[in-house]
Amino acid sequence: KAGVTQTPRYLIKTRGQQVTLSCSPISGHRSVSWYQQTPGQGLQFLFEYFSETQRNKGNFPGRFSGRQFSNSRSEMNVSTLELGDSALYLCASSLRTTNTGELFFGEGSRLTVL
Amino acid sequence: DQQVKQNSPSLSVQEGRISILNCDYTNSMFDYFLWYKKYPAEGPTFLISISSIKDKNEDGRFTVFLNKSAKHLSLHIVPSQPGDSAVYFCAAQRGPGSARQLTFGSGTQLTVLP
Repeated sequence: KAGVTQTPRYLIKTRGQQVTLSCSPISGHRSVSWYQQTPGQGLQFLFEYFSETQRNKGNFPGRFSGRQFSNSRSEMNVSTLELGDSALYLCASSLRTTNTGELFFGEGSRLTVL
Repeated sequence: DQQVKQNSPSLSVQEGRISILNCDYTNSMFDYFLWYKKYPAEGPTFLISISSIKDKNEDGRFTVFLNKSAKHLSLHIVPSQPGDSAVYFCAAQRGPGSARQLTFGSGTQLTVLP
């Protein structure tokens, strides 16, 4: 079956702009989590959505937001972009019934802020 | 404050030899640990995991060891193959409720030399 699909794969923005990233989970997976990967920082948890509701949120400013649609697809938005927002943004899907952190990641959206 | 640390950014090993990747954690509430592997331009993929009630878990060439008293885990790959060259991330979760809110280390780039 198809894996997690993220779009766009690459994008370049300037400071102050906003960006929206999209994630389509594996069919049947209703939980979607977002992570930010920067060099030297590993992956940092942004938020998790399940049944169109944010279930958990990481330690990121309010400029980072997300939503989930009824078909489980999710979007994340970053407003008022800063240079430090340049990163690989990864989406992961899983079954909400999974008690262990075995997540299925997409290839990511690489954001460059100039 | 990094709760999961991978102190070696890189490791080079000869093909056929053992690769040992290390990970330390500080939060004693972590009860489940995972290793993910990431190739360039791909998302991380789950490799192997271990519950805090165990001290060893083996899957083919991959073995994860957990030393709870030292808050240390390690991933052993025997024998190492060139296709194992990737970035390896250690991750931890705090209870089943945080299965999608993983805390990751910063990763170790493993290079297996032919």
